Amino acid sequence: AQRVTQPEKLLSVFKGAPVELKCNYSYSGSPELFWYVQYSRQRLQLLLRHISRESIKGFTADLNKGETSFHLKKPFAQEEDSAMYYCALRWDDKIIFGKGTRLHILP
Amino acid sequence: DTGVSQDPRHKITKRGQNVTFRCDPISEHNRLYWYRQTLGQGPEFLTYFQNEAQLEKSRLLSNRFSAERPKGSFSTLEIQRTEQGDSAMYLCASSYGQGAKTEAFFGQGTRLTVV
Repeated sequence: AQRVTQPEKLLSVFKGAPVELKCNYSYSGSPELFWYVQYSRQRLQLLLRHISRESIKGFTADLNKGETSFHLKKPFAQEEDSAMYYCALRWDDKIIFGKGTRLHILP
Repeated sequence: DTGVSQDPRHKITKRGQNVTFRCDPISEHNRLYWYRQTLGQGPEFLTYFQNEAQLEKSRLLSNRFSAERPKGSFSTLEIQRTEQGDSAMYLCASSYGQGAKTEAFFGQGTRLTVV
């Protein structure tokens, strides 16, 4: 079955330190993967998608088909990165989300 | 705000009552999705529409739940005979087109509390 796994519920990182939010997926086929972010009191919004190979707000994510992973990375954390992050997979015209990881940036 | 709009933002109801939520998608978005999110979980897919046609319903959607999108614009989600387990955030999202580059835009959600 199609599934997205985010093993960490909470990740605390000092400001300026590197960030890596883990995401693994199970999908039989060519996956289409996303990272969504939800800042405090704001709606869920798309951060980036793997097909765009873009860097948004300093974040990047590389699809590793061998490890079935799509980890989100940023070299230097900023306080405004504190938020809830959801890894997601598009399957059959719907988006399946992981349980999310709360990223807490420590001053 | 021209984004996806949901009403009400909060709803408290007694067990056994019926509730209805409304979602207004971004104008001209042909796809509309409903998700449910409980504490500590990511959004879970419930159902989606392409224009006025309901194309899929999750097994999570019991027969107490019904969704409509009568004119292909706004949508309603009704829960009959609410149960405490229905307490959750109900999210609506809309998108235009289909395929790899479409982006789903989410509303702020309706938080339902069943007491």
